[in-house]
Amino acid sequence: GAGVSQSPRYKVAKRGQDVALRCDPISGHVSLFWYQQALGQGPEFLTYFQNEAQLDKSGLPSDRFFAERPEGSVSTLKIQRTQQEDSAVYLCASSAYRPTEAFFGQGTRLTVV
Amino acid sequence: KNEVEQSPQNLTAQEGEFITINCSYSVGISALHWLQQHPGGGIVSLFMLSSGKKKHGRLIATINIQEKHSSLHITASHPRDSAVYICAVSRNTGNQFYFGTGTSLTVIP
Repeated sequence: GAGVSQSPRYKVAKRGQDVALRCDPISGHVSLFWYQQALGQGPEFLTYFQNEAQLDKSGLPSDRFFAERPEGSVSTLKIQRTQQEDSAVYLCASSAYRPTEAFFGQGTRLTVV
Repeated sequence: KNEVEQSPQNLTAQEGEFITINCSYSVGISALHWLQQHPGGGIVSLFMLSSGKKKHGRLIATINIQEKHSSLHITASHPRDSAVYICAVSRNTGNQFYFGTGTSLTVIP
């Protein structure tokens, strides 16, 4: 596809369930970012990949959050033992190199019940 | 402390009005971005600025590097402009964006 693709668009999880969110960046984009956006707030940084290397994971809120990009293209954000405070929109962005113009996906809206 | 501050937080305008959204930042940046987010939708990049002014259709973005301030203007606003407008900066160190909390704009017919 031409843009950043995220799946699923919507996910409802029971508290304690594990979830996996997928991001397909624009082909050839080196940089990939994950952000968490709570309702009514701006996006908050979670983690950054350059190719397959996770260079910054300082924004991950707890050890229940894990991200990978094993082949330097598709990335997966995994949340273990989900809790209600994890409910948010999870945004993925990719860019050609350092944050010049970034392209954002549609986001995955996660609701933990 | 937020590195990026936006104002106003909410804005309601009549169709046709001239709209200004402001953004101030407190860190060194390599670029400033204006983004648009529709309800239930993803984020679309409107502008990326490192100096001066850019115009695209009815949208104008300006930045003053010395004052660490940027404005997004919408001329002849239309209901389809209703969205959340987010200011974000990419720093000259590190690799991430820092986002403002957004300005929710509603344009009434």
